[in-house]
Amino acid sequence: SQELEQSPQSLIVQEGKNLTINCTSSKTLYGLYWYKQKYGEGLIFLMMLQKGGEEKSHEKITAKLDEKKQQSSLHITASQPSHAGIYLCGADGSGATNKLIFGTGTLLAVQP
Amino acid sequence: EPEVTQTPSHQVTQMGQEVILRCVPISNHLYFYWYRQILGQKVEFLVSFYNNEISEKSEIFDDQFSVERPDGSNFTLKIRSTKLEDSAMYFCASLGTGRTGELFFGEGSRLTVL
Repeated sequence: SQELEQSPQSLIVQEGKNLTINCTSSKTLYGLYWYKQKYGEGLIFLMMLQKGGEEKSHEKITAKLDEKKQQSSLHITASQPSHAGIYLCGADGSGATNKLIFGTGTLLAVQP
Repeated sequence: EPEVTQTPSHQVTQMGQEVILRCVPISNHLYFYWYRQILGQKVEFLVSFYNNEISEKSEIFDDQFSVERPDGSNFTLKIRSTKLEDSAMYFCASLGTGRTGELFFGEGSRLTVL
């Protein structure tokens, strides 16, 4: 079965600093999704990547999928307290039912 | 903006009791899902539902679990006889007409089994 490993598990940064979160899959990714979760709340969709080498940006967040489609990174530029939360990568491993398998999560804290 | 709504937000129940968690997916969506997240652990897939039947289920989704779409709007998850280990946050999600694209998640229902 497909496994997604995220690193780091947790991260504390000073406001204004850049940071990167990585997601590595044990199998080729048909689709890679990034979600954000605030503690005790639902998951908010950030971005979806499908093609090898693809890169997408939304506001200060950029996500990339490598050419081999087994690794993705999420980069936040000039972090703000509003970026704090748990970042989850999710993979559509089968491409059939859009069942997502989620990674272990990265807890981000941004210190003002 | 359309959203997935879940009720109750929090339910406390005694072990062995039946629990029904309710979800109202986005109205024109066709694929529905339940996920759960035990405190401090991963978000885990439970079941997907399409065209009024289960399309896929995980090992977690045993005979104690069932899903139903009793009318055109609600999507329910029933746990027949709750166990302590069923304590978790349960998330409902829905997907639009395309087979790829973002899942829209509800805010979750926290279940505490005593």
